[in-house]
Amino acid sequence: AQSVTQLDSQVPVFEEAPVELRCNYSSSVSVYLFWYVQYPNQGLQLLLKYLSGSTLVESINGFEAEFNKSQTSFHLRKPSVHISDTAEYFCAVSGGDDKIIFGKGTRLHILP
Amino acid sequence: AAGVIQSPRHLIKEKRETATLKCYPIPRHDTVYWYQQGPGQDPQFLISFYEKMQSDKGSIPDRFSAQQFSDYHSELNMSSLELGDSALYFCASSTGTGGHEQYFGPGTRLTVT
Repeated sequence: AQSVTQLDSQVPVFEEAPVELRCNYSSSVSVYLFWYVQYPNQGLQLLLKYLSGSTLVESINGFEAEFNKSQTSFHLRKPSVHISDTAEYFCAVSGGDDKIIFGKGTRLHILP
Repeated sequence: AAGVIQSPRHLIKEKRETATLKCYPIPRHDTVYWYQQGPGQDPQFLISFYEKMQSDKGSIPDRFSAQQFSDYHSELNMSSLELGDSALYFCASSTGTGGHEQYFGPGTRLTVT
């Protein structure tokens, strides 16, 4: 069975400052890892994913995440955040079966 | 590009009523997943279908049932609704099973009064 732990339920960050949202997972099998973003009153959008290959994955809007197998982590980072990044971010894992297991989510607050 | 379509987007029902949620996957996607997201909660996997057969089952109450039709759309049927069923219900689709990227629909917000 897989599980996901997002260590921070809320992260306040000043605009244009860097941010890291932490995610750790546990699994007895090889995993696929995802970050989803949910803007207020909207659905889930895939931000980025790790399936195989390069351990550093990037999104089109400046986010990146690094798969670290030894630390079982998949932290999300952005060097400079914007007000528009205000959202709930979910780390998720799939063990190769059908379902995706989500973390509890981290709410990113961008402070002006 | 076409996305996952869910209908209705909002639904208000009373306790003990029934509700049917519909999901239309991305064209050529053969796998459909249903998730439930309670207020302030993370999405929880309910059930999935691959090629019209149930492929996996999560924390879906016995009062709920679902199926996938020949055109690959799926319906989630919910009976004897309870206040606790109020949630955002997401459908996702993918090609095949086993770790493939799932594309989520906008969700159906169900409110039970």
